[in-house]
Amino acid sequence: AQTVTQSQPEMSVQEAETVTLSCTYDTSESDYYLFWYKQPPSRQMILVIRQEAYKQQNATENRFSVNFQKAAKSFSLKISDSQLGDAAMYFCAFSVYNAGNMLTFGGGTRLMVKP
Amino acid sequence: DAGVIQSPRHEVTEMGQEVTLRCKPISGHNSLFWYRQTMMRGLELLIYFNNNVPIDDSGMPEDRFSAKMPNASFSTLKIQPSEPRDSAVYFCASSPRGSGNTIYFGEGSWLTVV
Repeated sequence: AQTVTQSQPEMSVQEAETVTLSCTYDTSESDYYLFWYKQPPSRQMILVIRQEAYKQQNATENRFSVNFQKAAKSFSLKISDSQLGDAAMYFCAFSVYNAGNMLTFGGGTRLMVKP
Repeated sequence: DAGVIQSPRHEVTEMGQEVTLRCKPISGHNSLFWYRQTMMRGLELLIYFNNNVPIDDSGMPEDRFSAKMPNASFSTLKIQPSEPRDSAVYFCASSPRGSGNTIYFGEGSWLTVV
């Protein structure tokens, strides 16, 4: 079984600054995917970024990037130039390759952005 | 393109009543998931369908919960009888073959059982 841990229940960042959200996971699998999802107050789950475990290069999507450390089983999300619209719950998720696309989620980190 | 469509968006019902949540996955997607989100337990996978067939229902909490997928464009999650502890947001999600395990969520159905 896989577990995903987000050790920061809440984080805050000043608008235009950079913030990093932490995520660790535990698995015996070697091929898998990692995700960050954003959940704003509307409750919609929005995919932010995805990382394939076999890729050494860290994924980047505009202001969002990850630091994937496979040996350490760590997958942090960096948000640069934070905007008020980034305020949301952020969930880290894990999925085993070729095993049905089922996601295991962490407990979430609430990000507050201060103007 | 339309995303995953769920109904109702909000439902308030009395304990003991039957609740049916509905989901229309994205056209062409062959996998469908029902997740439940609560403050206490976070996001939990309830059941997973592939090509309309239930593959993993180990997350279904008890016999009061049942899910069906009669065709590729429709699924239901039924709770009978409902209890206050079933109050949660229920998400349906779908995924196409070859998506790199990416799944796409609906907007959720917010259920309150009083």
